[in-house]
Amino acid sequence: AQSVSQHNHHVILSEAASLELGCNYSYGGTVNLFWYVQYPGQHLQLLLKYFSGDPLVKGIKGFEAEFIKSKFSFNLRKPSVQWSDTAEYFCAVNAPRGSTLGRLYFGRGTQLTVWP
Amino acid sequence: DAGITQSPRYKITETGRQVTLMCHQTWSHSYMFWYRQDLGHGLRLIYYSAAADITDKGEVPDGYVVSRSKTENFPLTLESATRSQTSVYFCASRTSGGSSYEQYFGPGTRLTVT
Repeated sequence: AQSVSQHNHHVILSEAASLELGCNYSYGGTVNLFWYVQYPGQHLQLLLKYFSGDPLVKGIKGFEAEFIKSKFSFNLRKPSVQWSDTAEYFCAVNAPRGSTLGRLYFGRGTQLTVWP
Repeated sequence: DAGITQSPRYKITETGRQVTLMCHQTWSHSYMFWYRQDLGHGLRLIYYSAAADITDKGEVPDGYVVSRSKTENFPLTLESATRSQTSVYFCASRTSGGSSYEQYFGPGTRLTVT
């Protein structure tokens, strides 16, 4: 089975600080990669996704992520965070072929707290 | 456009009771999923379904039953609730077409088993 590792469990930043959340996955073949965000009390929303092409992916609210195949990584970045970015962030991976039926494998999540 | 809805949003039940959580989507998506979210574990897949009458186990299926008689509905039943099933449950769906495999999530059901 695939696995997804998010190394930072809780990140605390001040507003305007830069953000990078790590995500590594364990699958050697073709993958689709996702970052989801969950604001307090809300459901998961897609932040950005990668499935082919340019490895630098831009998402909503100024977030971006870079797919580095050689490192099996898909780190999330934002140059200047805001208080409203306080949320939990989940990395997810899918291997589009085989018997997985399009399942997503999620990391354990990173709680981001931004102080004003 | 209702999208994907879950009911109830909050539920308190007693140990040993049967509970059914409902999930309904209006997109006619083929695939539907049930996850539970627990602190320190992220999201774990309970069951999923590729189409009506086709379901399969995920990572943590024990104690749960699903059915999918209609494409738009995917109820999750806890046959005899236990305290360890206290969690937030999310339903998700995705289309069978395309290549991005993006899943769309419902608002969640917070279940407490006393």
